[in-house]
Amino acid sequence: QSALTQPASVSGSPGQSITISCTGTSSDVGGYNYVSWYQHHPGKAPKLMIYDVNNRPSGVSNRFSGSKSGNTASLTISGLQAEDEADYYCGSYTTSNTMVFGVGTKVSVL
Amino acid sequence: QVQLVESGGGVVQPGTSLRLSCAASGFTFSTYAMQWVRQAPGKGLEWVAVVWNDGTNKYYADSVKGRFTISRDNSKNTLSLQMNSLRAEDTAVYYCARDGYSYGRGTDYWGQGTLVTVSS
Repeated sequence: QSALTQPASVSGSPGQSITISCTGTSSDVGGYNYVSWYQHHPGKAPKLMIYDVNNRPSGVSNRFSGSKSGNTASLTISGLQAEDEADYYCGSYTTSNTMVFGVGTKVSVL
Repeated sequence: QVQLVESGGGVVQPGTSLRLSCAASGFTFSTYAMQWVRQAPGKGLEWVAVVWNDGTNKYYADSVKGRFTISRDNSKNTLSLQMNSLRAEDTAVYYCARDGYSYGRGTDYWGQGTLVTVSS
């Protein structure tokens, strides 16, 4: 159950697009279309942004989109806004019937 | 609206036990798998355990297997986590969370968390 690999930090200017990668193995990310993404502001409850690789829950801005290729999933934030500054985590179902999260990526808006 | 409220956190000594509870409201509790996720100070999210909607299946992270037990009472809309043989590395904020789309696809509601500190 090793954590999924994410870049420690990603930054961008307002209005730009950024992409966060999430790399796992064929036993998790690559094995199922069950990748999710979470936004976490410190001290608050995490918020689901993407489920099933590329689906947005009701109420989540369409500036957030997800994709997957092989063992790597990605979250793209377009039209970056100050309120997007937060920690982002990917999550995946695994062949062991468990879940695994990524190590987290700090997004900074310059 | 969906609400998940954790309780039971506190400061305990290594080797002792603690029981966390999560009171759920605003949805049909018995139709959703429920999870515990934790975050140690300065660290990322770590999945802990899941229990299916009817309580028949339970799965655990290797780091807690054999020490923690997840359970639920659908008649009381309550999720629990019994934590035994606690270690310093179990110190974390523990979140109760709902699997919104069936297990593994996405955790759509989270509580505010309860802090567990294991220290002598």
